[in-house]
Amino acid sequence: DTGVSQNPRHKITKRGQNVTFRCDPISEHNRLYWYRQTLGQGPEFLTYFQNEAQLEKSRLLSDRFSAERPKGSFSTLEIQRTEQGDSAMYLCASSLTSDGTQHFGDGTRLSIL
Amino acid sequence: DQQVKQNSPSLSVQEGRISILNCDYTNSMFDYFLWYKKYPAEGPTFLISISSIKDKNEDGRFTVFLNKSAKHLSLHIVPSQPGDSAVYFCAADVQGAQKLVFGQGTRLTINP
Repeated sequence: DTGVSQNPRHKITKRGQNVTFRCDPISEHNRLYWYRQTLGQGPEFLTYFQNEAQLEKSRLLSDRFSAERPKGSFSTLEIQRTEQGDSAMYLCASSLTSDGTQHFGDGTRLSIL
Repeated sequence: DQQVKQNSPSLSVQEGRISILNCDYTNSMFDYFLWYKKYPAEGPTFLISISSIKDKNEDGRFTVFLNKSAKHLSLHIVPSQPGDSAVYFCAADVQGAQKLVFGQGTRLTINP
């Protein structure tokens, strides 16, 4: 399978705990994106990387959120001190610089108890 | 503010007929538009895109029309098939901005 891979698929945690998600993009894609999707809404942009550089962050990405992409390969999204409002589907996408089409993974569903 | 709007939450179409999904946008800076299809428990899958320099793009059963003056785009699926039943999202981008803005989605149901 050469698509975008996200792990875990589902994460259940208690409020206040830290969580980390992983995204493995399509191997030759140099751009990687994180989105968040809540029920009944479309995905909302959070941040994106060109290789290892994080080039833009949405105002939705509070100080409790941090994303990394060491070595320009996989990426991690960490949420510290989770809150009820963080419950959502977190989607990762990747693309080539030369082609703006973003290809999505199946997401990580976060549930905060 | 909702820059990309899909005003129909759901649409039901008979198999073999044409499905037309609509999308409106407000930001005149958008110059690239995409349609994605999403099945339950899966991520969005890219369907078709169109640049603002065109007013139509066709790929098999899927055609996207762009009306820049009305800030409106539509996706036509003909003939509709049961496997087309899914949630469809339109998305818009400013070339180089690299952050897609999505509509709320339209759930399409194809009835046999």
